[in-house]
Amino acid sequence: KQEVTQIPAALSVPEGENLVLNCSFTDSAIYNLQWFRQDPGKGLTSLLLIQSSQREQTSGRLNASLDKSSGRSTLYIAASQPGDSATYLCAVRPPPNDYKLSFGAGTTVTVRA
Amino acid sequence: GAVVSQHPSWVICKSGTSVKIECRSLDFQATTMFWYRQFPKQSLMLMATSNEGSKATYEQGVEKDKFLINHASLTLSTLTVTSAHPEDSSFYICSARVIQNYNSPLHFGNGTRLTVT
Repeated sequence: KQEVTQIPAALSVPEGENLVLNCSFTDSAIYNLQWFRQDPGKGLTSLLLIQSSQREQTSGRLNASLDKSSGRSTLYIAASQPGDSATYLCAVRPPPNDYKLSFGAGTTVTVRA
Repeated sequence: GAVVSQHPSWVICKSGTSVKIECRSLDFQATTMFWYRQFPKQSLMLMATSNEGSKATYEQGVEKDKFLINHASLTLSTLTVTSAHPEDSSFYICSARVIQNYNSPLHFGNGTRLTVT
């Protein structure tokens, strides 16, 4: 059974600092990995999706890397802003024909102004 | 982009009553939708996979008679929590994938906060 772990569970940084969020998974046989943002009491917003054949994906200030063999992904957020405060979840999808995502518990980020 | 609408966003009900939650794909068709449950500070746990025109597939430990799922069209799936009890209080989120787009990410609704008193 796939286990997804996110460390740290919570993170507080001053505005402008770069953020590094970690995600690890136990079964490297994944189809893709997705990073989501969740605001309090809200649903999930997809940030980045990395296919298993890719090493990284970038979108604006966000960069996500994937090392499938070691079961790790890292989400980098450059020059953090108070608006980046949220919970960030990573999820892995098993090989094709299965859309059941396995989620980590998330990292709750607070960016202090 | 693909939008998934979930309704209601929050609901408070008395113990023993039933509550229906709707999940709609607004601008795309979805043969498959997924229902998740999230407890405070915990991860999302998949409850069931909703298939248009057929029975839902439930994850181990999820009572199918407790959580009734109906997927009557390509844009609507409903989750009914029957005879709700306080332990059913949770955040329920649905997701859907774009039909015939094998590599598309899943799109999530905004969730429904259920409180059973």
